[in-house]
Amino acid sequence: KNQVEQSPQSLIILEGKNCTLQCNYTVSPFSNLRWYKQDTGRGPVSLTIMTFSENTKSNGRYTATLDADTKQSSLHITASQLSDSASYICVVRRTGSSGGSYIPTFGRGTSLIVHP
Amino acid sequence: DTGVSQDPRHKITKRGQNVTFRCDPISEHNRLYWYRQTLGQGPEFLTYFQNEAQLEKSRLLSDRFSAERPKGSFSTLEIQRTEQGDSAMYLCASSPGGSGGRNEQFFGPGTRLTVL
Repeated sequence: KNQVEQSPQSLIILEGKNCTLQCNYTVSPFSNLRWYKQDTGRGPVSLTIMTFSENTKSNGRYTATLDADTKQSSLHITASQLSDSASYICVVRRTGSSGGSYIPTFGRGTSLIVHP
Repeated sequence: DTGVSQDPRHKITKRGQNVTFRCDPISEHNRLYWYRQTLGQGPEFLTYFQNEAQLEKSRLLSDRFSAERPKGSFSTLEIQRTEQGDSAMYLCASSPGGSGGRNEQFFGPGTRLTVL
Protein backbone atom coordinates (compact mmCIF):
# COMPACT_ATOMS: atom_id res chain seq x y z
CA LYS A 1 0.00 0.00 0.00
CA ASN A 2 1.30 3.44 -0.94
CA GLN A 3 1.75 5.44 2.24
CA VAL A 4 3.43 8.62 3.48
CA GLU A 5 4.23 8.84 7.19
CA GLN A 6 5.37 12.06 8.84
CA SER A 7 6.95 12.73 12.20
CA PRO A 8 6.65 14.32 14.59
CA GLN A 9 2.90 14.91 14.53
CA SER A 10 3.44 18.26 16.20
CA LEU A 11 6.39 20.35 17.28
CA ILE A 12 6.82 23.48 19.37
CA ILE A 13 10.05 25.48 19.15
CA LEU A 14 11.28 28.91 20.14
CA GLU A 15 11.76 31.62 17.57
CA GLY A 16 15.25 31.53 16.08
CA LYS A 17 15.78 27.82 16.67
CA ASN A 18 16.23 25.21 13.94
CA CYS A 19 14.07 22.13 13.46
CA THR A 20 13.85 19.07 11.22
CA LEU A 21 10.69 17.34 10.06
CA GLN A 22 10.72 13.76 8.78
CA CYS A 23 8.84 11.98 6.00
CA ASN A 24 9.00 8.25 5.26
CA TYR A 25 7.19 6.80 2.28
CA THR A 26 6.40 3.50 0.66
CA VAL A 27 5.01 4.97 -2.56
CA SER A 28 6.39 3.07 -5.52
CA PRO A 29 7.46 3.49 -8.21
CA PHE A 30 8.68 6.89 -7.07
CA SER A 31 8.36 9.99 -9.23
CA ASN A 32 8.85 13.01 -7.01
CA LEU A 33 8.37 14.33 -3.50
CA ARG A 34 7.12 17.77 -2.50
CA TRP A 35 6.99 19.57 0.79
CA TYR A 36 4.02 21.90 1.21
CA LYS A 37 3.39 24.56 3.85
CA GLN A 38 -0.23 25.03 4.90
CA ASP A 39 -1.17 28.01 7.01
CA THR A 40 -4.29 27.64 9.14
CA GLY A 41 -7.42 28.04 7.03
CA ARG A 42 -5.49 28.25 3.76
CA GLY A 43 -4.59 25.88 0.98
CA PRO A 44 -1.14 24.23 0.86
CA VAL A 45 1.71 26.03 -0.92
CA SER A 46 4.66 24.15 -2.42
CA LEU A 47 8.07 24.74 -0.82
CA THR A 48 10.29 22.29 -2.71
CA ILE A 49 10.13 19.43 -5.18
CA MET A 50 12.66 16.62 -5.34
CA THR A 51 13.10 13.91 -7.92
CA PHE A 52 14.96 10.61 -7.68
CA SER A 53 18.35 12.08 -8.57
CA GLU A 54 18.21 15.03 -6.16
CA ASN A 55 19.58 14.72 -2.63
CA THR A 56 19.23 18.26 -1.35
CA LYS A 57 17.27 21.32 -2.36
CA SER A 58 17.00 24.66 -0.61
CA ASN A 59 14.40 27.39 -0.68
CA GLY A 60 15.53 30.22 1.58
CA ARG A 61 15.57 28.96 5.16
CA TYR A 62 14.00 25.66 4.09
CA THR A 63 16.26 22.76 3.06
CA ALA A 64 14.82 19.44 1.95
CA THR A 65 16.79 16.21 1.67
CA LEU A 66 15.88 12.98 -0.05
CA ASP A 67 17.29 9.48 0.33
CA ALA A 68 15.54 7.48 -2.36
CA ASP A 69 17.21 4.25 -1.23
CA THR A 70 15.75 4.37 2.26
CA LYS A 71 12.65 6.27 1.06
CA GLN A 72 13.11 9.06 3.54
CA SER A 73 12.97 12.83 3.26
CA SER A 74 13.51 15.61 5.73
CA LEU A 75 12.68 19.30 5.82
CA HIS A 76 15.06 21.46 7.83
CA ILE A 77 14.00 24.94 8.87
CA THR A 78 16.78 27.30 9.90
CA ALA A 79 16.42 30.28 12.22
CA SER A 80 12.68 29.80 12.63
CA GLN A 81 10.31 32.75 12.51
CA LEU A 82 6.82 33.19 13.94
CA SER A 83 5.47 33.03 10.40
CA ASP A 84 6.81 29.48 10.08
CA SER A 85 3.96 28.33 12.32
CA ALA A 86 1.96 26.09 10.00
CA SER A 87 1.37 22.50 8.97
CA TYR A 88 4.09 20.99 6.76
CA ILE A 89 2.87 18.26 4.46
CA CYS A 90 4.97 15.72 2.57
CA VAL A 91 3.48 14.63 -0.76
CA VAL A 92 4.78 11.80 -2.94
CA ARG A 93 3.85 10.99 -6.52
CA ARG A 94 4.08 7.66 -8.30
CA THR A 95 5.01 7.09 -11.90
CA GLY A 96 3.04 4.72 -14.06
CA SER A 97 0.79 4.36 -17.02
CA SER A 98 -2.47 3.86 -15.16
CA GLY A 99 -3.26 7.53 -14.94
CA GLY A 100 -2.55 7.41 -11.25
CA SER A 101 0.73 9.22 -11.77
CA TYR A 102 -1.15 12.50 -11.41
CA ILE A 103 -2.68 11.57 -8.09
CA PRO A 104 -0.29 12.22 -5.22
CA THR A 105 -0.25 10.61 -1.77
CA PHE A 106 -0.33 13.11 1.09
CA GLY A 107 1.08 12.68 4.55
CA ARG A 108 -0.91 13.86 7.56
CA GLY A 109 1.47 16.75 8.11
CA THR A 110 3.54 18.04 11.00
CA SER A 111 2.04 20.94 12.91
CA LEU A 112 4.79 23.40 13.79
CA ILE A 113 4.30 26.14 16.36
CA VAL A 114 6.99 28.78 16.75
CA HIS A 115 6.83 30.68 20.04
CA PRO A 116 8.40 34.11 20.56
CA ASP B 1 -5.70 37.69 -8.14
CA THR B 2 -4.86 35.00 -10.69
CA GLY B 3 -4.72 32.08 -8.27
CA VAL B 4 -7.23 29.30 -7.69
CA SER B 5 -10.44 30.62 -6.19
CA GLN B 6 -13.20 28.76 -4.39
CA ASP B 7 -16.70 29.77 -3.46
CA PRO B 8 -18.10 29.87 -0.86
CA ARG B 9 -15.32 30.00 1.72
CA HIS B 10 -17.63 28.75 4.43
CA LYS B 11 -20.89 26.81 4.31
CA ILE B 12 -23.09 25.75 7.19
CA THR B 13 -25.94 23.43 6.36
CA LYS B 14 -28.37 21.09 8.04
CA ARG B 15 -28.06 17.34 7.67
CA GLY B 16 -29.92 16.11 4.62
CA GLN B 17 -29.52 19.29 2.59
CA ASN B 18 -27.65 19.49 -0.70
CA VAL B 19 -24.64 21.77 -1.13
CA THR B 20 -22.61 22.84 -4.15
CA PHE B 21 -19.12 24.28 -4.20
CA ARG B 22 -17.38 26.04 -7.06
CA CYS B 23 -13.72 26.11 -8.04
CA ASP B 24 -12.14 28.43 -10.59
CA PRO B 25 -8.67 27.17 -11.50
CA ILE B 26 -5.76 29.17 -12.87
CA SER B 27 -6.88 29.94 -16.39
CA GLU B 28 -4.21 28.09 -18.38
CA HIS B 29 -4.29 24.96 -16.20
CA ASN B 30 -6.05 21.97 -17.73
CA ARG B 31 -5.86 19.68 -14.69
CA LEU B 32 -8.17 20.17 -11.72
CA TYR B 33 -8.34 18.20 -8.49
CA TRP B 34 -10.73 18.04 -5.55
CA TYR B 35 -9.56 17.04 -2.09
CA ARG B 36 -11.16 16.73 1.33
CA GLN B 37 -9.25 17.59 4.48
CA THR B 38 -10.33 17.03 8.07
CA LEU B 39 -8.69 18.54 11.12
CA GLY B 40 -5.18 17.23 11.74
CA GLN B 41 -5.10 15.22 8.52
CA GLY B 42 -3.55 15.74 5.14
CA PRO B 43 -5.74 16.29 2.08
CA GLU B 44 -7.48 13.17 0.77
CA PHE B 45 -7.92 12.87 -2.99
CA LEU B 46 -11.52 12.88 -4.23
CA THR B 47 -11.45 13.32 -7.99
CA TYR B 48 -9.39 14.63 -10.91
CA PHE B 49 -10.24 16.26 -14.25
CA GLN B 50 -8.15 16.77 -17.31
CA ASN B 51 -9.97 19.44 -19.25
CA GLU B 52 -13.64 18.41 -19.07
CA ALA B 53 -12.95 14.69 -18.61
CA GLN B 54 -13.21 13.23 -15.13
CA LEU B 55 -10.35 10.74 -15.26
CA GLU B 56 -10.23 9.35 -11.76
CA LYS B 57 -12.45 9.14 -8.69
CA SER B 58 -11.54 7.99 -5.21
CA ARG B 59 -13.48 5.34 -3.35
CA LEU B 60 -14.12 8.16 -0.87
CA LEU B 61 -16.41 9.73 -3.46
CA SER B 62 -19.71 8.04 -2.62
CA ASP B 63 -22.74 8.26 -4.88
CA ARG B 64 -23.86 11.33 -2.90
CA PHE B 65 -20.90 13.23 -4.34
CA SER B 66 -20.76 14.44 -7.92
CA ALA B 67 -18.27 16.70 -9.66
CA GLU B 68 -18.42 18.37 -13.02
CA ARG B 69 -16.20 20.50 -15.19
CA PRO B 70 -18.48 21.12 -18.15
CA LYS B 71 -16.32 23.40 -20.27
CA GLY B 72 -12.92 22.45 -18.96
CA SER B 73 -12.72 25.64 -16.94
CA PHE B 74 -14.48 25.98 -13.56
CA SER B 75 -15.64 22.93 -11.65
CA THR B 76 -18.44 22.22 -9.21
CA LEU B 77 -18.61 19.66 -6.43
CA GLU B 78 -22.09 18.75 -5.20
CA ILE B 79 -22.88 16.78 -2.08
CA GLN B 80 -26.42 15.47 -1.82
CA ARG B 81 -28.17 14.53 1.42
CA THR B 82 -25.28 15.83 3.52
CA GLU B 83 -24.23 13.92 6.62
CA GLN B 84 -22.33 15.16 9.66
CA GLY B 85 -19.34 13.13 8.52
CA ASP B 86 -19.13 15.33 5.43
CA SER B 87 -17.97 18.23 7.60
CA ALA B 88 -14.49 19.08 6.33
CA MET B 89 -12.43 21.51 4.29
CA TYR B 90 -12.89 20.90 0.58
CA LEU B 91 -9.80 21.94 -1.37
CA CYS B 92 -9.49 22.48 -5.08
CA ALA B 93 -6.16 22.50 -6.90
CA SER B 94 -5.09 22.99 -10.49
CA SER B 95 -1.96 22.27 -12.46
CA PRO B 96 -0.77 22.74 -16.04
CA GLY B 97 -0.58 19.84 -18.47
CA GLY B 98 2.58 18.08 -19.62
CA SER B 99 5.77 17.15 -17.70
CA GLY B 100 4.17 14.03 -16.28
CA GLY B 101 3.59 14.19 -12.55
CA ARG B 102 6.16 16.88 -11.87
CA ASN B 103 3.80 19.81 -12.23
CA GLU B 104 3.02 21.70 -9.05
CA GLN B 105 -0.55 21.74 -7.89
CA PHE B 106 -1.74 25.20 -6.90
CA PHE B 107 -4.36 25.06 -4.19
CA GLY B 108 -7.31 27.31 -3.56
CA PRO B 109 -8.21 28.59 -0.10
CA GLY B 110 -10.78 25.84 0.41
CA THR B 111 -14.46 25.71 1.33
CA ARG B 112 -15.12 24.79 4.94
CA LEU B 113 -18.32 22.79 5.25
CA THR B 114 -20.10 22.33 8.56
CA VAL B 115 -23.07 19.96 8.65
CA LEU B 116 -25.26 20.41 11.71
